[in-house]
Amino acid sequence: EPEVTQTPSHQVTQMGQEVILRCVPISNHLYFYWYRQILGQKVEFLVSFYNNEISEKSEIFDDQFSVERPDGSNFTLKIRSTKLEDSAMYFCASRLAGLAEQYFGPGTRLTVT
Amino acid sequence: DAKTTQPPSMDCAEGRAANLPCNHSTISGNEYVYWYRQIHSQGPQYIIHGLKNNETNEMASLIITEDRKSSTLILPHATLRDTAVYYCIVRAAYSGAGSYQLTFGKGTKLSVIP
Repeated sequence: EPEVTQTPSHQVTQMGQEVILRCVPISNHLYFYWYRQILGQKVEFLVSFYNNEISEKSEIFDDQFSVERPDGSNFTLKIRSTKLEDSAMYFCASRLAGLAEQYFGPGTRLTVT
Repeated sequence: DAKTTQPPSMDCAEGRAANLPCNHSTISGNEYVYWYRQIHSQGPQYIIHGLKNNETNEMASLIITEDRKSSTLILPHATLRDTAVYYCIVRAAYSGAGSYQLTFGKGTKLSVIP
């Protein structure tokens, strides 16, 4: 069964450093998402992406964040200058056109020290 | 999107049916009810969705009341692996821009007990 994959599973970085989290969505899906979950809190929407552009973003997704689909398979989330409060699980999701159910990856645990 | 209310936690004996309720009294006519679950710290997993008719798939059944103000997710024979947080999400069928981002609440923590 096809699935969303994410790398790395765990990333440790120092405050102020740039990180790139990678996702490979399910191959025929056209809509892509990033969510995050701070430990013990709710899953929060960050951004959605379709047709090589952002379709919606939350207030969390400020200028420090960017997304890119550099090729036909990868979907990345970049945090330019990480802060302690960026420590969280980051989940990528994708869906088919015309269907609303999203399929999530296993997540990347980001730890900012 | 309509707001949902779920109990914070429930227990269920292994092998028995787990019935997880959700209230969505402000649901509008074009909004679907979606259920996802999150096992420990894994990514949320889609379970099932419905509009007004009852739905069943290999994972679960979804019962939606006639007035659509509440629903119940049924896991017919709960196993220890069904221990997870279950989220009920109400979402429009089509929002024009098609973003469909999900708004997660706190969900119901289901503990399946041996």
